[in-house]
Amino acid sequence: DTGVSQDPRHKITKRGQNVTFRCDPISEHNRLYWYRQTLGQGPEFLTYFQNEAQLEKSRLLSDRFSAERPKGSFSTLEIQRTEQGDSAMYLCASSFTSSPGGNQPQHFGDGTRLSIL
Amino acid sequence: SQQGEEDPQALSIQEGENATMNCSYKTSINNLQWYRQNSGRGLVHLILIRSNEREKHSGRLRVTLDTSKKSSSLLITASRAADTASYFCATADRGSTLGRLYFGRGTQLTVWP
Repeated sequence: DTGVSQDPRHKITKRGQNVTFRCDPISEHNRLYWYRQTLGQGPEFLTYFQNEAQLEKSRLLSDRFSAERPKGSFSTLEIQRTEQGDSAMYLCASSFTSSPGGNQPQHFGDGTRLSIL
Repeated sequence: SQQGEEDPQALSIQEGENATMNCSYKTSINNLQWYRQNSGRGLVHLILIRSNEREKHSGRLRVTLDTSKKSSSLLITASRAADTASYFCATADRGSTLGRLYFGRGTQLTVWP
């Protein structure tokens, strides 16, 4: 399967713990996005990478959140000192574009569902 | 914040019937995309329509875009039970070089066999 892969699929942790999620995009894709989705809502943008550079961060991404994409390949999203409000599905998507603009579909992974006890 | 709003929030139909979902948005866009999401899974891209296009077809899907009304519709013809899913519209802002998408809350479609 050469789609977007996310790990783990599910994470249950106690409030205050740190968690890290991994996303492996489609190999030739240069753009990588993280979204958060809560029950009954659509995905909300968190952050975006063009190759290894993190080019935009949403205000939703507090200082407890950090994302990396070393070498422009896989990406990690870390949440420190988790809070109950962090419970959500965290989705990763990737796309390829050779020009500015967003006229390319995004390919999503199946997400990591985070539950904070 | 979410930009698009889908209507209706929920739609229940019989197999073979057509399903129509609407999306309204607020700002000038580069393109509008429709995605499907099965329960517990990621989103699957269905169709992209650019701001200078008015209608697009893909198999049993037909999408229209009216930029003067800032609205779009997704028509699924001859629906099947396998079409049961949530459907989201997503917009990319005009002038944005980033490609970030703004999603609505979605329409939950249930197709009964």
